[in-house]
Amino acid sequence: KQEVTQIPAALSVPEGENLVLNCSFTDSAIYNLQWFRQDPGKGLTSLLLIQSSQREQTSGRLNASLDKSSGRSTLYIAASQPGDSATYLCAVLSDMRFGAGTRLTVKP
Amino acid sequence: GAGVSQTPSNKVTEKGKYVELRCDPISGHTALYWYRQSLGQGPEFLIYFQGTGAADDSGLPNDRFFAVRPEGSVSTLKIQRTERGDSAVYLCASSRDPGGGYTFGSGTRLTVV
Repeated sequence: KQEVTQIPAALSVPEGENLVLNCSFTDSAIYNLQWFRQDPGKGLTSLLLIQSSQREQTSGRLNASLDKSSGRSTLYIAASQPGDSATYLCAVLSDMRFGAGTRLTVKP
Repeated sequence: GAGVSQTPSNKVTEKGKYVELRCDPISGHTALYWYRQSLGQGPEFLIYFQGTGAADDSGLPNDRFFAVRPEGSVSTLKIQRTERGDSAVYLCASSRDPGGGYTFGSGTRLTVV
């Protein structure tokens, strides 16, 4: 059974820092992975979808990479802003499994 | 529709009652997923539909939970004899095809008192 782990569970950084969120999975036979953002009391908003044939995807200040051989995906956020404060979740779509998320706080 | 619609947005029910939660996916999306999310946790998989059929219902916690998608579009999650432990946010997502990127609805917050 696929297990998805996100470390750290919570992260607090000052505004302007570049940061990396980690997502690891136990079964490398995946064919895509998606990153989401969730604001308190809200639904999930898609950030980036990485297909198995791709190694990374970029959108604005966000970059997500996928290394199936090591069972890992990372979400890189450049020049963080207070508005980036939210919980970030990764999902292995082929197994329909989510991590527990990383709760990010960006302090002004 | 333009997005995934879930109704109601909030539902308060008494222990032992029956509830139905509705999900209206994006038009043309063949895959539909139900998840349950408790506070501070990631979404927990419940059931996946491909078209009208439940392709994977391994996440349903027990036989009090049932879901249907009779015409391959709208889905209803049904919970019988609700228990306080069923309180959570129930999320629905759809994708154009299996394994495609998910679009989520805003969820239904179920509270069993």
